[in-house]
Amino acid sequence: DVKVTQSSRYLVKRTGEKVFLECVQDMDHENMFWYRQDPGLGLRLIYFSYDVKMKEKGDIPEGYSVSREKKERFSLILESASTNQTSMYLCASSTARLSEQYFGPGTRLTVT
Amino acid sequence: DQQVKQNSPSLSVQEGRISILNCDYTNSMFDYFLWYKKYPAEGPTFLISISSIKDKNEDGRFTVFLNKSAKHLSLHIVPSQPGDSAVYFCAASVAGGSNYKRTFGKGTLLTVNP
Repeated sequence: DVKVTQSSRYLVKRTGEKVFLECVQDMDHENMFWYRQDPGLGLRLIYFSYDVKMKEKGDIPEGYSVSREKKERFSLILESASTNQTSMYLCASSTARLSEQYFGPGTRLTVT
Repeated sequence: DQQVKQNSPSLSVQEGRISILNCDYTNSMFDYFLWYKKYPAEGPTFLISISSIKDKNEDGRFTVFLNKSAKHLSLHIVPSQPGDSAVYFCAASVAGGSNYKRTFGKGTLLTVNP
């Protein structure tokens, strides 16, 4: 079974803190993704990576950066957390371009 | 501009009846479509997909229909079961090029009543 794990299920941070969200997949997938899910807005793509050290902006990259130093690990970084970044963050991975994405359980981040 | 629209935020059906979830899209370049199911406090899980070269794909109780001329797809669940109660997301993508992106709708909350 494909497994995508995220470092924390729940996280509470203060405004201005630097926040790291980690995602690890164990199926040697080339592609990895970070989404946020907000009520009434569905899933919105923040960043994705199709190879080690490669990244592309998604629909809402502002305020975020990513790092992919190893194939299995994709990190989302909030350089200076703000309250409008309070959300559910979902990591996903996939093989070929048209294959389904496998999602992790999500990290619910609250920025106070 | 919302390219994938799920206009019904919620749907309630009786156990054993058919559930029909609808999705409309505006980008004519989309040619691959997926449905995901999401339970609370879990990540979405893949349900079924369809390529634009087909107009129907079936997997057990789940069938997806694609009407390209109307830019519309629907997910049919027959018969519906209480365990199907979840949020359903429609997603679309463009084949070719380097576009790995999937555009998701806002989701429809399905409640199946015993």
